[in-house]
Amino acid sequence: GQQLNQSPQSMFIQEGEDVSMNCTSSSIFNTWLWYKQDPGEGPVLLIALYKAGELTSNGRLTAQFGITRKDSFLNISASIPSDVGIYFCAGQGVANAGKSTFGDGTTLTVKP
Amino acid sequence: DTAVSQTPKYLVTQMGNDKSIKCEQNLGHDTMYWYKQDSKKFLKIMFSYNNKELIINETVPNRFSPKSPDKAHLNLHINSLELGDSAVYFCASSQGGANSEAFFGQGTRLTVV
Repeated sequence: GQQLNQSPQSMFIQEGEDVSMNCTSSSIFNTWLWYKQDPGEGPVLLIALYKAGELTSNGRLTAQFGITRKDSFLNISASIPSDVGIYFCAGQGVANAGKSTFGDGTTLTVKP
Repeated sequence: DTAVSQTPKYLVTQMGNDKSIKCEQNLGHDTMYWYKQDSKKFLKIMFSYNNKELIINETVPNRFSPKSPDKAHLNLHINSLELGDSAVYFCASSQGGANSEAFFGQGTRLTVV
């Protein structure tokens, strides 16, 4: 089956620093999605990517769909305390319409 | 107006019991899902329904049975609960087809004692 490797597993940063996390897949994806999960809540979609090479921003967040279609990264600029949470990448493959495979998550801690 | 709502939020029950979790979405989406998130926060898809039809059924024990009375509802019934079933269960919905952007409920924390 499809495998997603998300890294790093966790990050501890100072407020104001930039953050970068990425996901790599063993197979080609048509769609990459990035979600954030706050404690006690369900994941919330941050950015959706549908084309290889696509670079999309949402406020301080920027995500890119890798040219090979096997990877994606998410950057957060000038982090703030409310950025704390778990960030998940998710990909949808060619043969699995509607089914997203999730990465194992990156837990972000921001120290004020 | 909650887009995807699931009840209950917390469920504590004894081994061997049968329990149900309900989910409703008011987004007009065609596809609904159940995900399981374990203690390590790994999110795994369990089931997916499109217009009341089962389209994804991952390797899940037969004790788990989803039911979709209409496309706005997807309930999860679990028989003979086991300790290992303790987890957070998330319901989600999406437009379906090529659009897999999912909207998640708040989750149901199931604890089996």
